[in-house]
Amino acid sequence: GNSVTQMEGPVTLSEEAFLTINCTYTATGYPSLFWYVQYPGEGLQLLLKATKADDKGSNKGFEATYRKETTSFHLEKGSVQVSDSAVYFCALSDRGSTLGRLYFGRGTQLTVWP
Amino acid sequence: EPEVTQTPSHQVTQMGQEVILRCVPISNHLYFYWYRQILGQKVEFLVSFYNNEISEKSEIFDDQFSVERPDGSNFTLKIRSTKLEDSAMYFCASSEKGLANEQFFGPGTRLTVL
Repeated sequence: GNSVTQMEGPVTLSEEAFLTINCTYTATGYPSLFWYVQYPGEGLQLLLKATKADDKGSNKGFEATYRKETTSFHLEKGSVQVSDSAVYFCALSDRGSTLGRLYFGRGTQLTVWP
Repeated sequence: EPEVTQTPSHQVTQMGQEVILRCVPISNHLYFYWYRQILGQKVEFLVSFYNNEISEKSEIFDDQFSVERPDGSNFTLKIRSTKLEDSAMYFCASSEKGLANEQFFGPGTRLTVL
């Protein structure tokens, strides 16, 4: 079946530190991959996406590369800011789903200290 | 910027009671979804809805659950007889074209069943 496993949190970093949040997946078909972010009191927002192998999604300094050989989609940022403090969710969508059903991981809480 | 809204933000109910969770999707969106996250677990898909019909539902979405679009603006999730294990954060999402990367999420309703 389809499932996503992401790194357990919480993750605590100092400002300007390097961030990696690991995400691996299993899928029955050829999925699209996503990272969502949830800021306090808000809904999940799409951060970036990749739809095929070796694609790199990027947004707001965050990047993730779709690695089919390792079934991974790790999120990275070179220098985090306090404003990046949020919960990050890795997700996949099976192309066979009628309306783009998403499969999520558990979420990783990131706290960045000044 | 248009956003998905959900009410209430927190609902407390007794086991066996009926609850209705309400969502107002973005006004020009036609595709609607419910997801939930039990504390510490993954965000799970419940149901997708289009043209006044359920498009897809997960194994969680049993006869105790129903969805409705009672008017042109609301999208509701009803749990007929709540169980302790229904305690979770429930997220509503909407999409203009029914694509995975276009789902806009609300901030969630935390349901606590006592």
